[in-house]
Amino acid sequence: QQPVQSPQAVILREGEDAVINCSSSKALYSVHWYRQKHGEAPVFLMILLKGGEQKGHEKISASFNEKKQQSSLYLTASQLSYSGTYFCGTAGHSGNTPLVFGKGTRLSVIA
Amino acid sequence: DGGITQSPKYLFRKEGQNVTLSCEQNLNHDAMYWYRQDPGQGLRLIYYSQIVNDFQKGDIAEGYSVSREKKESFPLTVTSAQKNPTAFYLCASNPGLLSYEQYFGPGTRLTVT
Repeated sequence: QQPVQSPQAVILREGEDAVINCSSSKALYSVHWYRQKHGEAPVFLMILLKGGEQKGHEKISASFNEKKQQSSLYLTASQLSYSGTYFCGTAGHSGNTPLVFGKGTRLSVIA
Repeated sequence: DGGITQSPKYLFRKEGQNVTLSCEQNLNHDAMYWYRQDPGQGLRLIYYSQIVNDFQKGDIAEGYSVSREKKESFPLTVTSAQKNPTAFYLCASNPGLLSYEQYFGPGTRLTVT
């Protein structure tokens, strides 16, 4: 089943923070996060495996709550380059099934 | 340079014609995937293959067909049975285990009139 992302869209001013959530009704093995610019291929941001670990690089980080079957992506001090559509992809409990992607969250950062 | 190539970037066809989208990777990945993207729908899985000469249907396989005769190639045919084929098509690959990132090709935008 397709994970649910929230919010659907968000507008930020440069320097503001944002949180994007991804929820699944099924037990999860892993959560992947991607960012896509219009008309381009999605670009990998990070993967989180079951175990509740948090990952991050630069000003983008993510958490994975296995018990709640949720992941959150944190963008701090947003930059214009952060604009795009963010997708979470979830893999089922066995870890051997294809990713199922959410519908995406459109993030717009303005000056 | 290793990566995934898709060709062509833009494709136009008349209704009722079959069309084949190319996807090639030189990453030595076992698994390959085809996704369809429509505005507001996210990425929906059409077909995937985890090994040569084997593939499985995804969530929206009707009207599509694939082949996997070589490890590096996974072409997608959009048949005339696909009711609404106009979309952005993305090919992806990964080593075969879902603890690894998926690598995406640049996509093909198909317009059928």
